[in-house]
Amino acid sequence: DQQVKQNSPSLSVQEGRISILNCDYTNSMFDYFLWYKKYPAEGPTFLISISSIKDKNEDGRFTVFLNKSAKHLSLHIVPSQPGDSAVYFCAARDRGGSQGNLIFGKGTKLSVKP
Amino acid sequence: DAMVIQNPRYQVTQFGKPVTLSCSQTLNHNVMYWYQQKSSQAPKLLFHYYDKDFNNEADTPDNFQSRRPNTSFCFLDIRSPGLGDAAMYLCATSRDAGLIETQYFGPGTRLLVL
Repeated sequence: DQQVKQNSPSLSVQEGRISILNCDYTNSMFDYFLWYKKYPAEGPTFLISISSIKDKNEDGRFTVFLNKSAKHLSLHIVPSQPGDSAVYFCAARDRGGSQGNLIFGKGTKLSVKP
Repeated sequence: DAMVIQNPRYQVTQFGKPVTLSCSQTLNHNVMYWYQQKSSQAPKLLFHYYDKDFNNEADTPDNFQSRRPNTSFCFLDIRSPGLGDAAMYLCATSRDAGLIETQYFGPGTRLLVL
């Protein structure tokens, strides 16, 4: 059973608008959450993270929001740019689990149209 | 200035024929990971090395083995590949194995089993 769920396989947004990528999780032991971005033919690259003790973390155009009670996090990209077109993976870490183990979602493919 | 290098990028093998995938890193990181990602699925951790200490995930099949002869290199050996082992194999590294450590991924090796 999936512990990290990205229910939208794809998302299309107009350039300059906001992109919102969503992620839900089931394991209350998750203590740290990360977003990775993946371009075709490249490995995932780290984008932004958030600790479970926070509800928001911002880095430039990227903001991650965490709602622990709903076990939900989201990544906001404002404004969206064509270069943001990629697959975005949500990942989580279990403080009680195997050291270093990242639990990934299946990814959401974002397309930003000029 | 590639940091995590995976060779080859594409590997074709025959059913039951042993195959080895290679990963090297220039980051001098302590931890190296191997993930398996099947089509439209989330990357799944197979095992990781913390320095020379090998950590196998509980549900990783015995068919998958790993070697880390030195800090820079880590190999994934599939002893008898089955059709179900066709996937993208991602190598990653991190400086340490703590909760907030960032993992750096290579571009992956896509394995095809005929």
